[in-house]
Amino acid sequence: DADVTQTPRNRITKTGKRIMLECSQTKGHDRMYWYRQDPGLGLRLIYYSFDVKDINKGEISDGYSVSRQAQAKFSLSLESAIPNQTALYFCATSDLRGNWGTEAFFGQGTRLTVV
Amino acid sequence: TQLLEQSPQFLSIQEGENLTVYCNSSSVFSSLQWYRQEPGEGPVLLVTVVTGGEVKKLKRLTFQFGDARKDSSLHITAAQPGDTGLYLCAGDTSGYALNFGKGTSLLVTP
Repeated sequence: DADVTQTPRNRITKTGKRIMLECSQTKGHDRMYWYRQDPGLGLRLIYYSFDVKDINKGEISDGYSVSRQAQAKFSLSLESAIPNQTALYFCATSDLRGNWGTEAFFGQGTRLTVV
Repeated sequence: TQLLEQSPQFLSIQEGENLTVYCNSSSVFSSLQWYRQEPGEGPVLLVTVVTGGEVKKLKRLTFQFGDARKDSSLHITAAQPGDTGLYLCAGDTSGYALNFGKGTSLLVTP
């Protein structure tokens, strides 16, 4: 079983719909992240959470919200989906290792298409 | 804002050739990671470099962290088709989430 699991793997939705992408992890990490990946733009951070009570916006949070339901679960919602939110979405976890910094472990991604 | 610039963006080479991929920034990082991503999958960590000037080797892959901890390079010796993928560098600015470069897409043909 994967350490970081994303559901669904693929989703097609209509403009204006609210949808939720879910992420769960078995690594026991406190830190969880949502990124989106677009061709030529790399990975861009949407939201991140350092523990259940800590939620922070990333560089592209507009149009998105998150919920950290438990240490192991972090969900991403699109309030009203629009076509330019069509992208590959990744959830990641990490564990700060003192001076060694952050090493991220990724899920397999959710391919979202907004039509 | 993309803190990390990767070059080249695309690279297509023949099996057996050597190549170098660069990751540059004006920011200082407490650590820098290299990831490889294959189509349909999430990025997978290859290595973390922490100390300025550090060199790490992973079989045919050699990673170097710049002395000032602002840049890094990945050198692949005798590339193989299995090396094909998207190579991403990511920097940690001490406690914040990782910042990723846009990646270098490598294609190695037999």
